[in-house]
Amino acid sequence: KAGVTQTPRYLIKTRGQQVTLSCSPISGHRSVSWYQQTPGQGLQFLFEYFSETQRNKGNFPGRFSGRQFSNSRSEMNVSTLELGDSALYLCASSLGSGGRGNEKLFFGSGTQLSVL
Amino acid sequence: AQKITQTQPGMFVQEKEAVTLDCTYDTSDQSYGLFWYKQPSSGEMIFLIYQGSYDEQNATEGRYSLNFQKARKSANLVISASQLGDSAMYFCAMRPISSNTGKLIFGQGTTLQVKP
Repeated sequence: KAGVTQTPRYLIKTRGQQVTLSCSPISGHRSVSWYQQTPGQGLQFLFEYFSETQRNKGNFPGRFSGRQFSNSRSEMNVSTLELGDSALYLCASSLGSGGRGNEKLFFGSGTQLSVL
Repeated sequence: AQKITQTQPGMFVQEKEAVTLDCTYDTSDQSYGLFWYKQPSSGEMIFLIYQGSYDEQNATEGRYSLNFQKARKSANLVISASQLGDSAMYFCAMRPISSNTGKLIFGQGTTLQVKP
């Protein structure tokens, strides 16, 4: 069973540009979550999509947006890039429904974004 | 609000010895789940072990065990018989039991280095 796939692996952009990151979840998983990881702030939750609808949202500005397609693949977009957006962006997938809260997240290897 | 605290930024352990990584948490939820993830230099977050707040016994997964002390709000990870491949960053995380959403609250992480 293929794992979570994130593309591209590395990305270099300049301030003011926009960027789109892609995430393909594990087959059958309907929930896709995005996290930003920086040395200073650690791992911070951006948002979660479940069945094409945003289910949870973290405390990030509106420049950060996402969407999910009918096949559960998800994209994340950052507009008007700032230097502080340089980070590792991790995507995680899970079944996302029911259960007792013990469902684990499966992560991809991330997209390393550098903003110059 | 929920918070995870990992007070050890970095640790060293000799190969084949056991090591304990500390994690304390704060939450007002009555039921919650605690997770440990490993992040090698490749960037991918790898699930290690889960403990539910309602579980009477400490969780174990192979060489990993969780020393769960609910009254102290601590969930320390114990790695037995350390191997060179255990060198990585380790994160403690939590979420309320109420649902299997993709939103986990992570600690700042502990970098573990295993010496040969």
